[in-house]
Amino acid sequence: AQSVTQPDIHITVSEGASLELRCNYSYGATPYLFWYVQSPGQGLQLLLKYFSGDTLVQGIKGFEAEFKRSQSSFNLRKPSVHWSDAAEYFCATMDSSYKLIFGSGTRLLVRP
Amino acid sequence: DGGITQSPKYLFRKEGQNVTLSCEQNLNHDAMYWYRQDPGQGLRLIYYSQIVNDFQKGDIAEGYSVSREKKESFPLTVTSAQKNPTAFYLCASMQPGSVYEQYFGPGTRLTVT
Repeated sequence: AQSVTQPDIHITVSEGASLELRCNYSYGATPYLFWYVQSPGQGLQLLLKYFSGDTLVQGIKGFEAEFKRSQSSFNLRKPSVHWSDAAEYFCATMDSSYKLIFGSGTRLLVRP
Repeated sequence: DGGITQSPKYLFRKEGQNVTLSCEQNLNHDAMYWYRQDPGQGLRLIYYSQIVNDFQKGDIAEGYSVSREKKESFPLTVTSAQKNPTAFYLCASMQPGSVYEQYFGPGTRLTVT
């Protein structure tokens, strides 16, 4: 069965520092991969998605992610974090029935 | 504006009562989904529907029921059989064969005491 692992439960970075959130997936073929962001008590907003093609994907709010098949990874990056980026981030993959399978999430804290 | 609405935002019930959570979308999407979110566990799929008058169980369907009588509506009933109903519930919709992106509603926080 497909699965997604986000190894970091919490990450703390200083404002202005770079950010990388890790995501590993298990799936034999080319997966559909997504990153969502959730502010406290809110729904999820899609940051970016990868289906095929260029392995470096640009998203909203200055985020990008790189698909690396050799490492089964789809890590999310941002060169300079803003205080408003503090939120919970979810990596997900989509199965053949169009259901999303989520990782357990990474909570980002931003130090002033 | 197109989107998904969930009501109410907060819901309180006594143990042993059934409660229905509302989810409405005006995106003209065929597929709709219900997820449950607990701290530290990500989102887990409860039920999904790919077309009107049809729905399938997800990973944690026990103690829940749904209906899909209209394309725009996918209500979720949390029954008294659900052992731990207190959670944050999220509804989503998608148009399969199109952009393969699920759009999420703002969620309903259910507290059962």
